[in-house]
Amino acid sequence: AQTVTQSQPEMSVQEAETVTLSCTYDTSESDYYLFWYKQPPSRQMILVIRQEAYKQQNATENRFSVNFQKAAKSFSLKISDSQLGDAAMYFCAYRKTQGAQKLVFGQGTRLTINP
Amino acid sequence: NAGVMQNPRHLVRRRGQEARLRCSPMKGHSHVYWYRQLPEEGLKFMVYLQKENIIDESGMPKERFSAEFPKEGPSILRIQQVVRGDSAAYFCASSSGQGGIYGYTFGSGTRLTVV
Repeated sequence: AQTVTQSQPEMSVQEAETVTLSCTYDTSESDYYLFWYKQPPSRQMILVIRQEAYKQQNATENRFSVNFQKAAKSFSLKISDSQLGDAAMYFCAYRKTQGAQKLVFGQGTRLTINP
Repeated sequence: NAGVMQNPRHLVRRRGQEARLRCSPMKGHSHVYWYRQLPEEGLKFMVYLQKENIIDESGMPKERFSAEFPKEGPSILRIQQVVRGDSAAYFCASSSGQGGIYGYTFGSGTRLTVV
């Protein structure tokens, strides 16, 4: 079974600085999708960024980028120029390409932004 | 264009009562997924449904839990004879026919409290 591990329960960063959140996963599949979701106190799950495993190029979305290391099964999220609104729980998630379409989530990392 | 609508937002039930959680998917989406989030944990997959069909219920407890997505109306997650351990946030997500390869749209969740 696929598993997703986020080893950092909490992280903090100064406003305007850069922070990296770690995620590793375990799968025997060669093709799959990876996601980062943000969950602010409102509880809404917001998609931050997605990566397709067959693409070698790392995905970027404005201040958010990933470092996807397929061989190491690592999928870290880098947030540049951190803003107060980035404070939230961040969840890494995995989805197979074929078959069951469920998302498998990590335990989450609580990110605090210090003004 | 409303997103995924879940209601109620908060639900309090006494032990032994029934809880009914509703989810209306995003317009144009025919795939619905239910997830449960215990405090300070990631989301855990429960069930995946398409209209009138349960596709994957591998994450659903064998007893007391059921889900449906009728031809007309919202998807319903039903928990019979609730116990304290059922207290959690329950999230619904929906996707189009491509099965969420671009990410799912989540509702804001229903927080169930069993007293």
